[in-house]
Amino acid sequence: GAVVSQHPSWVICKSGTSVKIECRSLDFQATTMFWYRQFPKQSLMLMATSNEGSKATYEQGVEKDKFLINHASLTLSTLTVTSAHPEDSSFYICSASIGGSNQPQHFGDGTRLSIL
Amino acid sequence: QKEVEQNSGPLSVPEGAIASLNCTYSDRGSQSFFWYRQYSGKSPELIMFIYSNGDKEDGRFTAQLNKASQYVSLLIRDSQPSDSATYLCAVNIVLTYDKVIFGPGTSLSVIP
Repeated sequence: GAVVSQHPSWVICKSGTSVKIECRSLDFQATTMFWYRQFPKQSLMLMATSNEGSKATYEQGVEKDKFLINHASLTLSTLTVTSAHPEDSSFYICSASIGGSNQPQHFGDGTRLSIL
Repeated sequence: QKEVEQNSGPLSVPEGAIASLNCTYSDRGSQSFFWYRQYSGKSPELIMFIYSNGDKEDGRFTAQLNKASQYVSLLIRDSQPSDSATYLCAVNIVLTYDKVIFGPGTSLSVIP
C-alpha cells in the first residue's frame, strides 16, 4: 500500500519551456502533498506544501510564479516549472501524506529535469 | 543552529555489525520523527516513524527517541551490504504551519 506515482521520470527540454510534473497517490487519499528538489549530494529541499483544494504554501526563496502547484483532488498534485532555465535542472520529488506533517510521507520515484 | 542535524559520514561498518545513526533537532514542540533511506539516484523510502519516547523496533531496525535531549537515533542490526545508502532523519516542525524538515543525511557503507 501507500503507492505514489510520479510522472514523467525524466525530462530533457530547451530553455524557456514549461514542464509539468504529475504526482498521484494510487491507493490512498492524500490530504497533503509535498514537493522537493534535490541537487547532487545534497539533502531534500522542501519547495512547497499543498493541501487539496487550497493554495500551496511555498518555502522562503521559492518563486510561486515560477513553480506552479495545483492540488485539485485528493489523489493528484501537479508542479509546473514555467519558463525553465538551466539552473532549474534538478531532481524533483513529490510525496504524499494522509494527514499532514505528523504522518509518514510516501515518495514518488522523482523526476530528473535537465534544461539545455 | 540548524533545525535537524545529522553526521554526514560516511559511516562504515562491517557486515553483520550494528550501525548507529544519530539525529538531533531544535524544535522542542516536534512530535513526529521519521527515518528514510535513500539509495543513490533514487527517491527516499520510509523505514520507520516514532512519536513517543523510548524504543520502537521493526525487524532489524530500532528507532530511539529522547525528547528531553531532542535526540532520535536509528539502529540497524545485522547490517547488510544492501543497507548501504544515505539515511535521512525527518522531524515535523510546528511553527507558523506544520512542515517536515529533513536532515542532511548520513551516508552508511556496509563492508562485506
